[in-house]
Amino acid sequence: KNEVEQSPQNLTAQEGEFITINCSYSVGISALHWLQQHPGGGIVSLFMLSSGKKKHGRLIATINIQEKHSSLHITASHPRDSAVYICAVERSEKLVFGKGTKLTVNP
Amino acid sequence: KAGVTQTPRYLIKTRGQQVTLSCSPISGHRSVSWYQQTPGQGLQFLFEYFSETQRNKGNFPGRFSGRQFSNSRSEMNVSTLELGDSALYLCASSLVGVGVNEQFFGPGTRLTVL
Repeated sequence: KNEVEQSPQNLTAQEGEFITINCSYSVGISALHWLQQHPGGGIVSLFMLSSGKKKHGRLIATINIQEKHSSLHITASHPRDSAVYICAVERSEKLVFGKGTKLTVNP
Repeated sequence: KAGVTQTPRYLIKTRGQQVTLSCSPISGHRSVSWYQQTPGQGLQFLFEYFSETQRNKGNFPGRFSGRQFSNSRSEMNVSTLELGDSALYLCASSLVGVGVNEQFFGPGTRLTVL
């Protein structure tokens, strides 16, 4: 079993839909990161959080340390949100990554 | 401010050869981390350098090595290449390291081993 599990693996949505991607982890962590990877490989860091909730524009990330679970929400999704979203947990100053969720938003 | 740059962007090598990849961090960033991404294993941490010292290391064989120069630029080297080393190699820089600051990723070097 992977230390970091993401669901779903693939997600297709219509433009405007509310999207949720989940991340569960099995070990104690110091922080959790959400990353976005576009075709071609470039990775952008979206959030780094260790408790509660953070919001940037249409993106919201939450974490529940007791339940070892985090969610990434996208409100009013847009085709430009199509990408792979990767959850990574930080342990001993190293990042351990989930396998990613491929999101496709159709117009 | 210029982002993280990696050279070369694409590389084709044959089994048994060695390869050196380069990463130039954002100006002022002292920490450089390297990652390997493959379709099967996803993203995996290779190592992190800070102020020319390897501060952390992932679970990779000794064929994978790296170094960091006084200007924070970093190189990683893979010797005796194997087919399974074909991957996207990403570096990321941050001010002082994972856990304290956001990491900024480079575009990656796509290595193909034939």
